[in-house]
Amino acid sequence: KQEVTQIPAALSVPEGENLVLNCSFTDSAIYNLQWFRQDPGKGLTSLLLIQSSQREQTSGRLNASLDKSSGRSTLYIAASQPGDSATYLCAVEGGRKSSSNYKLTFGKGTLLTVNP
Amino acid sequence: DTAVSQTPKYLVTQMGNDKSIKCEQNLGHDTMYWYKQDSKKFLKIMFSYNNKELIINETVPNRFSPKSPDKAHLNLHINSLELGDSAVYFCASSQARYNSPLHFGNGTRLTVT
Repeated sequence: KQEVTQIPAALSVPEGENLVLNCSFTDSAIYNLQWFRQDPGKGLTSLLLIQSSQREQTSGRLNASLDKSSGRSTLYIAASQPGDSATYLCAVEGGRKSSSNYKLTFGKGTLLTVNP
Repeated sequence: DTAVSQTPKYLVTQMGNDKSIKCEQNLGHDTMYWYKQDSKKFLKIMFSYNNKELIINETVPNRFSPKSPDKAHLNLHINSLELGDSAVYFCASSQARYNSPLHFGNGTRLTVT
């Protein structure tokens, strides 16, 4: 059964800092890994999708890496801003069991607070 | 223009009642999903439809019945509501059934009293 773990559960940083969020998964036979942000009372917003054959994806100040063999991904946020405050969720699609296909398995998220 | 919209945003009801949550997407996507986020913020898939065909049906009580009248709509009907059904329910869609980013609605907070 695919399991996704995110560390830390919460992170508080001053504005302007660079930071890294971590995600690990137990079954490396994935199709892709996705990072989302969730604002309070809102749905999830897709940030980045890394295909299993890729090593990283970048969007603006965000950079996500994927090491499929070790079951790890990191989300790097450069020059953090108060508007980056949100919960960041990592999710993987797929696994060795066919029951893992076509669905995302989510971690519990990292609550990020960027202080002005 | 809301891409994935679900109604209602809040739903408060008593145990034993039957309720429905509606979802519509205007992105032209082929695949739609229902996810449940419990009180511990853990997000878990319930159902997925691809072109109106059910492709994922997780271990969900059969009191929950999804219905997809067309590929732009996926509704969730819940019979005989229980206290444990209280959660936030999210609808989502994606271009294809795999390897596509998911687009989420803003959620429906269901409270069963």
